[in-house]
Amino acid sequence: KNEVEQSPQNLTAQEGEFITINCSYSVGISALHWLQQHPGGGIVSLFMLSSGKKKHGRLIATINIQEKHSSLHITASHPRDSAVYICAAGGSQGNLIFGKGTKLSVKP
Amino acid sequence: NAGVTQTPKFQVLKTGQSMTLQCAQDMNHNSMYWYRQDPGMGLRLIYYSASEGTTDKGEVPNGYNVSRLNKREFSLRLESAAPSQTSVYFCASSDFRGTEAFFGQGTRLTVV
Repeated sequence: KNEVEQSPQNLTAQEGEFITINCSYSVGISALHWLQQHPGGGIVSLFMLSSGKKKHGRLIATINIQEKHSSLHITASHPRDSAVYICAAGGSQGNLIFGKGTKLSVKP
Repeated sequence: NAGVTQTPKFQVLKTGQSMTLQCAQDMNHNSMYWYRQDPGMGLRLIYYSASEGTTDKGEVPNGYNVSRLNKREFSLRLESAAPSQTSVYFCASSDFRGTEAFFGQGTRLTVV
């Protein structure tokens, strides 16, 4: 079993829809990271959280430490949100343990 | 405002050739990492350096060596490239645990 599991693997949505991507982890963490990878490959950090909830524009990330679960929500999705979203658990040495990613495609 | 700079962006090697991937960060971070990304798999840690002068193996270190030249630079060397090392390589840095990670743009390496 992978230490960081994401679901779904692939997600297609219509523009304007509310999107949720889930992440479960089985390791102890110092922080949970959500990353975005666009076609072309660059990886950008969206959120880093160790408790509660964070919001940045149309993106919201939540974490439940007791249940070892985090969610990334996108409100009013737009085609430019199309990307791979990656959940990563922050390890004790600061390294990251990655999920396999969720490929999101938002259709106009 | 460079962040993490990785070179080269693309490289094709023949089996048995050697090469070094360069990475530099200008954020005064203590920790630096090398990951590889393969289709259908998450990024996997090759080596990391928690501070200048120290390096440690990650999940998939075989076939690689690293050097933490100074606080800014962390290089990854393939001494004798193999087709199994065809991958996209990412360098990253952070200010030790619990802080945001910054990634380079990636190096797409093909070994033929």
